[in-house]
Amino acid sequence: DTGVSQDPRHKITKRGQNVTFRCDPISEHNRLYWYRQTLGQGPEFLTYFQNEAQLEKSRLLSDRFSAERPKGSFSTLEIQRTEQGDSAMYLCASSSSTRGSTGELFFGEGSRLTVL
Amino acid sequence: AQSVAQPEDQVNVAEGNPLTVKCTYSVSGNPYLFWYVQYPNRGLQFLLKYITGDNLVKGSYGFEAEFNKSQTSFHLKKPSALVSDSALYFCAVRPPSGNKLTFGGGTRVLVKP
Repeated sequence: DTGVSQDPRHKITKRGQNVTFRCDPISEHNRLYWYRQTLGQGPEFLTYFQNEAQLEKSRLLSDRFSAERPKGSFSTLEIQRTEQGDSAMYLCASSSSTRGSTGELFFGEGSRLTVL
Repeated sequence: AQSVAQPEDQVNVAEGNPLTVKCTYSVSGNPYLFWYVQYPNRGLQFLLKYITGDNLVKGSYGFEAEFNKSQTSFHLKKPSALVSDSALYFCAVRPPSGNKLTFGGGTRVLVKP
């Protein structure tokens, strides 16, 4: 399967714990995005990378959230000291910025976080 | 800043009838417009896009969408809905100079047999 993969698919944690999600994009894609989606709502942009550089971060991304893409391939999203309000689906997407690309995003299945 | 509005939270339609899901947008410059579909507990699947050219674009699963610049709309349509089309549909916009998609709040489509 050459699509976007995310791990874990589901994570249940207690308030105050740290969690980390991993995303492996489509191999030839140089852009990687993180979105957050709460039940019945549209995805909200969190951050994106072009190669290993984090080019934009949303104001939604508090200091407890950090994302990395150290080698320009897979990415991790860490949430420290989780709160119940962090419960959501965390979606990863990738795209290509090569010439002729029109930039549609290809999404993974998401990582669902439940904070108790 | 760009924005997308999907005025209907839910659309109900009988199987075999035409389906329309509405979307209006606000963006600087000529927009790149997209439709995605989401099935329960799954990620978003790309349906179609408008970048330039013909205002009517065709996509996956028999869906099409019509770009209307004067009305800043990009409504999704399907001539004959199937029960399996029941899902959550999202419209999204990106300015040509930007790199991120902004999504609408979604419209739930329920196709009844």
